[in-house]
Amino acid sequence: GAVVSQHPSRVICKSGTSVKIECRSLDFQATTMFWYRQFPKKSLMLMATSNEGSKATYEQGVEKDKFLINHASLTLSTLTVTSAHPEDSSFYICSAPAFGRDNSPLHFGNGTRLTVT
Amino acid sequence: QKEVEQNSGPLSVPEGAIASLNCTYSDRGSQSFFWYRQYSGKSPELIMFIYSNGDKEDGRFTAQLNKASQYVSLLIRDSQPSDSATYLCAVRVGGFKTIFGAGTRLFVKA
Repeated sequence: GAVVSQHPSRVICKSGTSVKIECRSLDFQATTMFWYRQFPKKSLMLMATSNEGSKATYEQGVEKDKFLINHASLTLSTLTVTSAHPEDSSFYICSAPAFGRDNSPLHFGNGTRLTVT
Repeated sequence: QKEVEQNSGPLSVPEGAIASLNCTYSDRGSQSFFWYRQYSGKSPELIMFIYSNGDKEDGRFTAQLNKASQYVSLLIRDSQPSDSATYLCAVRVGGFKTIFGAGTRLFVKA
């Protein structure tokens, strides 16, 4: 099946620093990727749509200057949490539709658990 | 605002029973629907997708879709303790943009 790789799986950082999370599609090209965040016992909240070669589209209430998204190739999207604060601690998950496969369902990376101290 | 509603549960069923999970959605134009399973601390994994009215079966899982009622369900037959997880209903709302319900926690008692 379609494989999406996300790195790192866990990161702990100090308040005020920036953290970059990578999302790669390993066996298919992804012109579009989606970034979600999930708080404990809550559902996935869509943060933004990452578009290869163009600007990301952010959901209402998501600060584009805080959550920088870059989608420079057909297989890689990155999310950078800038000037992280404890309230940014969450589970961040990327996903991509596997184009051409069975209605192109989203396939998810393994997620990144961010803890900001 | 487009929404996906699920009963948060927990839903508890004995091993071997049928678990029935339900979902309603607000966007009448949605055409594609998905069920994901999520274990604690892990990312979601796709179980099934459905986009035509009626039933779709895959092994122990059956997805049911009724677009007129804006209702999707997932049946799990012969439930196993390993099926204990949170089940997320997902609806495609435009392009490949997909929104999720809050999930239903399922416990299968051995």
